[in-house]
Amino acid sequence: GAGVSQSPSNKVTEKGKDVELRCDPISGHTALYWYRQSLGQGLEFLIYFQGNSAPDKSGLPSDRFSAERTGGSVSTLTIQRTQQEDSAVYLCASSLEGRSTDTQYFGPGTRLTVL
Amino acid sequence: KNQVEQSPQSLIILEGKNCTLQCNYTVSPFSNLRWYKQDTGRGPVSLTIMTFSENTKSNGRYTATLDADTKQSSLHITASQLSDSASYICVVSARGSWGKFQFGAGTQVVVTP
Repeated sequence: GAGVSQSPSNKVTEKGKDVELRCDPISGHTALYWYRQSLGQGLEFLIYFQGNSAPDKSGLPSDRFSAERTGGSVSTLTIQRTQQEDSAVYLCASSLEGRSTDTQYFGPGTRLTVL
Repeated sequence: KNQVEQSPQSLIILEGKNCTLQCNYTVSPFSNLRWYKQDTGRGPVSLTIMTFSENTKSNGRYTATLDADTKQSSLHITASQLSDSASYICVVSARGSWGKFQFGAGTQVVVTP
């Protein structure tokens, strides 16, 4: 079956513009995660969706960041008024339920460059 | 302070040689520890997962060990190949947590001919 897919693979934008990043999780996976990985750094947790529960937004760095997950499947991460420090690789992952014992499956990431 | 610390930050090894990567953690109560391999430009891929009761787990030429008492883990790569060049990430989960995974910064391994 298909893995986690993300689009676009690369995005270059100008400072101040809004961007939308898309994640298609593995079919049947109820848990979906967004992470940010800056150059040479570890993964930084952004947001976590589990089924129909309210998402855990505790990792979002500012109110310019938001995410939604429609129909329990596809998710969109939106960054408003982008800043240069937003430049990073944004990784999406999904897992069957979100338990600590579940395996996360990662997408290839979206490389965002803010000029 | 990061609850998962990895060392070394990077290392270079000759093809065919062995190497060992280290991971120390403070996550509590402990549930499980995973090692991921992340190739350049790709998402991380799970190599091994160990729970509290397991002290070793192998996946081909990769062998992970866990000492839950000292909160240390290692990943040993045997007979390295050029394709082993990647970042290796240690990830620890707390018992009872949902959606919470503590990631180390990774060790960048470069295998040279």
